[in-house]
Amino acid sequence: GENVEQHPSTLSVQEGDSAVIKCTYSDSASNYFPWYKQELGKRPQLIIDIRSNVGEKKDQRIAVTLNKTAKHFSLHITETQPEDSAVYFCAAKKGNKLVFGAGTILRVKS
Amino acid sequence: SAVISQKPSRDICQRGTSLTIQCQVDSQVTMMFWYRQQPGQSLTLIATANQGSEATYESGFVIDKFPISRPNLTFSTLTVSNMSPEDSSIYLCSVEDLQGWGDTQYFGPGTRLTVL
Repeated sequence: GENVEQHPSTLSVQEGDSAVIKCTYSDSASNYFPWYKQELGKRPQLIIDIRSNVGEKKDQRIAVTLNKTAKHFSLHITETQPEDSAVYFCAAKKGNKLVFGAGTILRVKS
Repeated sequence: SAVISQKPSRDICQRGTSLTIQCQVDSQVTMMFWYRQQPGQSLTLIATANQGSEATYESGFVIDKFPISRPNLTFSTLTVSNMSPEDSSIYLCSVEDLQGWGDTQYFGPGTRLTVL
């Protein structure tokens, strides 16, 4: 089955700096890759996603890139703000099934 | 997307008892799923709730422990049976509407379960 690895497990950045979180997946049949942000005590919220026929997608300060050949995808957050502090999960979807990475705790220091 | 609610939002239960969690969506959706999130961990899929038929369970999860119902396209329940402290987790439902917004899954607010 699908396996998703996510790095780093924790990431501390200074406010205004960029943050990058990377994920790799194992099953080349996976075709949809969402990123979720989960604040403490809250539900996971979708922040951006990308499909396998697209290499990059951007939404304001957030971007996702996908390299299908290497089977990895990355989340880029620019101009980080304290409210970006949360746990971020990547996921890969094959069929109806989403498989999640282990998560990255992002801390933005002001 | 959709408005998803879960009941209860949290509960503290004694070992050996069972708890049924409800998930309600404000519109008909194609797919409903149940996940478990253990403390400080990622999300693990328990099962896909199928309307009108038995749920499809992932490896490591069985129907006797986690019976699931889905009587219609807007509602599902997950029961955690014969609970032990190891069942203490957040349980989340998620929904997907292939005919609506496509691949994206949206999550309910979760049920925080503590087993003593």
